[in-house]
Amino acid sequence: DPKIIQKPKYLVAVTGSEKILICEQYLGHNAMYWYRQSAKKPLEFMFSYSYQKLMDNQTASSRFQPQSSKKNHLDLQITALKPDDSATYFCASSQEDWGQDTQYFGPGTRLLVL
Amino acid sequence: AQSVTQPDARVTVSEGASLQLRCKYSSSGTPYLFWYVQYPRQGLQLLLKYYSGDPVVQGVNGFEAEFSKSNSSFHLRKASVHWSDSAVYFCVLSARHSAGNKLTFGIGTRVLVRP
Repeated sequence: DPKIIQKPKYLVAVTGSEKILICEQYLGHNAMYWYRQSAKKPLEFMFSYSYQKLMDNQTASSRFQPQSSKKNHLDLQITALKPDDSATYFCASSQEDWGQDTQYFGPGTRLLVL
Repeated sequence: AQSVTQPDARVTVSEGASLQLRCKYSSSGTPYLFWYVQYPRQGLQLLLKYYSGDPVVQGVNGFEAEFSKSNSSFHLRKASVHWSDSAVYFCVLSARHSAGNKLTFGIGTRVLVRP
């Protein structure tokens, strides 16, 4: 059974719209993360949460808002979508948020903004 | 500041041949280093990790990596590749003892194993 679930798997959106990417982990971890993989660019860190508290935010835009309704959930709301937001978004989790903790990744949500 | 450089974007090897993927890192503190693999249309899977101690670490599926502090490197090796090893391999750096566990990824090396 998958331990980190991301929904939907694929998402097509129009410019200017808003979407929510879902992430749920069943590993009992206390830290969760979002990363983005764009074409021709390295995977880049977006957010980290620990015990439902925002620990680090490396996104330059307020259009990206993480939402943690439960300890094992970390959704990503993206507003005013732009074509440049097209990417695969990966959710990850780790036991704690220390540097030595291994992060485990979900299968990703592939977003295409037209 | 942290950074990871994977100088080889693509590597093609024949099945049964050995494989080495290069990785150089830059870290302001003591690094934690990882290799992840991404198979087509899948998420990332951990191959191995280095924290401290023996500079040669063993991973899954016959992979190993060697850490060198003097060279700031963490190269990945496999003695004999299988066609199923075709994937993208990422060298990843994490800062030690930093709250907010942020991973820094290399650009990735795409490996194609020819039959």
